[in-house]
Amino acid sequence: DAKTTQPPSMDCAEGRAANLPCNHSTISGNEYVYWYRQIHSQGPQYIIHGLKNNETNEMASLIITEDRKSSTLILPHATLRDTAVYYCIVRRNRDDKIIFGKGTRLHILP
Amino acid sequence: DTEVTQTPKHLVMGMTNKKSLKCEQHMGHRAMYWYKQKAKKPPELMFVYSYEKLSINESVPSRFSPECPNSSLLNLHLHALQPEDSALYLCASREIGQETQYFGPGTRLLVL
Repeated sequence: DAKTTQPPSMDCAEGRAANLPCNHSTISGNEYVYWYRQIHSQGPQYIIHGLKNNETNEMASLIITEDRKSSTLILPHATLRDTAVYYCIVRRNRDDKIIFGKGTRLHILP
Repeated sequence: DTEVTQTPKHLVMGMTNKKSLKCEQHMGHRAMYWYKQKAKKPPELMFVYSYEKLSINESVPSRFSPECPNSSLLNLHLHALQPEDSALYLCASREIGQETQYFGPGTRLLVL
């Protein structure tokens, strides 16, 4: 079981913030939320992860609700190169298994 | 260098052929992975190697045989594959104790 629910596709205008939601209502206390993306014909790329605090790095921000049942990945200024499938994953820290769900196909519109 | 390389990029093989996929990383990562990805589907874990030893086999058919000859190399030996095994095969690596898995570009396999 992927244990996450994401919209199958989203559109976002170039230069705007892309907000990708993820529901993980059965998340356990020791499970982290991870985001990866896969650009067409490439391998998946790690974006960010978090436990309960909001996180930010050079690629994106991760906002996790206080009850941890959902989260949002924010790409602050989307570009055409951000067009990809974005996967939200929950797993225990350092657990070897990554179980990918169906992901959200994000289209950045010029 | 955060690169995982995979060869070949593309492979076409018959059902009676024997072939191998190769994955290499020089980041000193001691965990390495094989995933299979069918078209328009998410990647699915096949095998995990930790310190050159097989630690996870996700009930993969024996026609797929992984091998980790050293800490930088991971092979996937293929024999008597079926057309439904056609897919993108992804390799990944991770430093033990760190979170990030680094993926290679994949080998696109077509079984005729």
